[in-house]
Amino acid sequence: GNSVTQMEGPVTLSEEAFLTINCTYTATGYPSLFWYVQYPGEGLQLLLKATKADDKGSNKGFEATYRKETTSFHLEKGSVQVSDSAVYFCALTPSGNTPLVFGKGTRLSVIA
Amino acid sequence: NAGVTQTPKFQVLKTGQSMTLQCAQDMNHEYMSWYRQDPGMGLRLIHYSVGAGITDQGEVPNGYNVSRSTTEDFPLRLLSAAPSQTSVYFCASRPPGLALSGEQFFGPGTRLTVL
Repeated sequence: GNSVTQMEGPVTLSEEAFLTINCTYTATGYPSLFWYVQYPGEGLQLLLKATKADDKGSNKGFEATYRKETTSFHLEKGSVQVSDSAVYFCALTPSGNTPLVFGKGTRLSVIA
Repeated sequence: NAGVTQTPKFQVLKTGQSMTLQCAQDMNHEYMSWYRQDPGMGLRLIHYSVGAGITDQGEVPNGYNVSRSTTEDFPLRLLSAAPSQTSVYFCASRPPGLALSGEQFFGPGTRLTVL
């Protein structure tokens, strides 16, 4: 079946540190891949996406590259800020109208 | 556009009570879904709908009912609440057409406690 595995948190970093959150997936065919972010007390919102192999999604300084050979979509940011503190979810959709499959989420805390 | 709206924001029920969580979207999205979020479990899909009159079960459908009589609304009904249904519930919708773009729009959530 389709599944997403992401690194467990919590992750605590100092401001301006480099961030990597690992995400690997299992899926048939060529899924679309996503990172969603959930700020405290809010719903999820799309952070970035990639729809085919070697695509790089980017937004707000975050990046992730769709690596089909390693079935990975790791999230990176060169210099995190306190305002990046949130829970990050990796997700995939296998095709068309099929539901999104989410990882369990990784909580990031950035301290000044 | 208001986007995806959910009511109520908070709810406390006693075991055995029934209630309906409301979800509405004004973006003319055909695809809508309900998730529950529990600590350490991520988001788990309860039910989803690909259009008015069509619903399907997700990963954890037991104890929940849905219907989709209009494009805009997708209510979630708890028939007889149990403490195991204490959770945060999120409704989401997705536009038609380029479905592989996959971006889902989430509501702000309903925090439900069952005593």
